[in-house]
Amino acid sequence: DQQVKQNSPSLSVQEGRISILNCDYTNSMFDYFLWYKKYPAEGPTFLISISSIKDKNEDGRFTVFLNKSAKHLSLHIVPSQPGDSAVYFCAASQIFSGGYNKLIFGAGTRLAVHP
Amino acid sequence: DGGITQSPKYLFRKEGQNVTLSCEQNLNHDAMYWYRQDPGQGLRLIYYSQIVNDFQKGDIAEGYSVSREKKESFPLTVTSAQKNPTAFYLCASGDYNYGYTFGSGTRLTVV
Repeated sequence: DQQVKQNSPSLSVQEGRISILNCDYTNSMFDYFLWYKKYPAEGPTFLISISSIKDKNEDGRFTVFLNKSAKHLSLHIVPSQPGDSAVYFCAASQIFSGGYNKLIFGAGTRLAVHP
Repeated sequence: DGGITQSPKYLFRKEGQNVTLSCEQNLNHDAMYWYRQDPGQGLRLIYYSQIVNDFQKGDIAEGYSVSREKKESFPLTVTSAQKNPTAFYLCASGDYNYGYTFGSGTRLTVV
C-alpha cells in the first residue's frame, strides 16, 4: 500500500522551461513534506520542504506547492537547467507516539532537461 | 566536515553469508535510518533508531538486523534470511525539521 505516489516515472523538459513534478499521498496524518534529488550511485540530497500548515514554499528556482484537500504536492523548477537532470523523490513525514518519526518516499521521477 | 560515511561502497555476498554494512555520522543526530532502493520502487525503510540502544522495524525489516550501541554508528547486517538482498542501501541521519542527510550508499550484490 503506497502512501506516497509519484505517478510519472519520467519527465523530459527543455532547458529554460518549467519542470513540474507531482506527488500524491493518502495519509492525512502526514505533517511535513520534502523533496530530494538523487544522482546515480549517490545518496539523495535534500532540496526543499513544506509544512502541512503552509501551501507554498519557495527557494530560488524551486517552489513546492501543497494542496491538502487534494492530498497533492508539486515541485516547480523554473527555469530548468541541464544540471537539474536527476531522480526526484517526494517524501512525507509522520510523527508517532513516543516522538518517533519516519520519512516515507515515493518511487521517484526521473527528470531529463535537454538543451 | 560533518556528514555520513557508508562503507564499503560496493559489497559482494555469497549465497548464505551474512554481511554487515557500516554507517557512521558526525552530525550529532539522534535519529538514524536504513533504506533500501530497488529500481522503480523508491526508498523503502528497513530499520530506524531514534536513540542509542533503541531501534524499530521499518516496512521491510525481515532478513535484516541492526544495532545502535553508539550515537554515531548504526550498522546494518543483511542475513542469509534475506532472500533478495541485491540492492542499493542508504543510511541517513535526521532532524525532523530539516530533513535527512544521506550517505553515499552501498551497493550489495549477491554472487
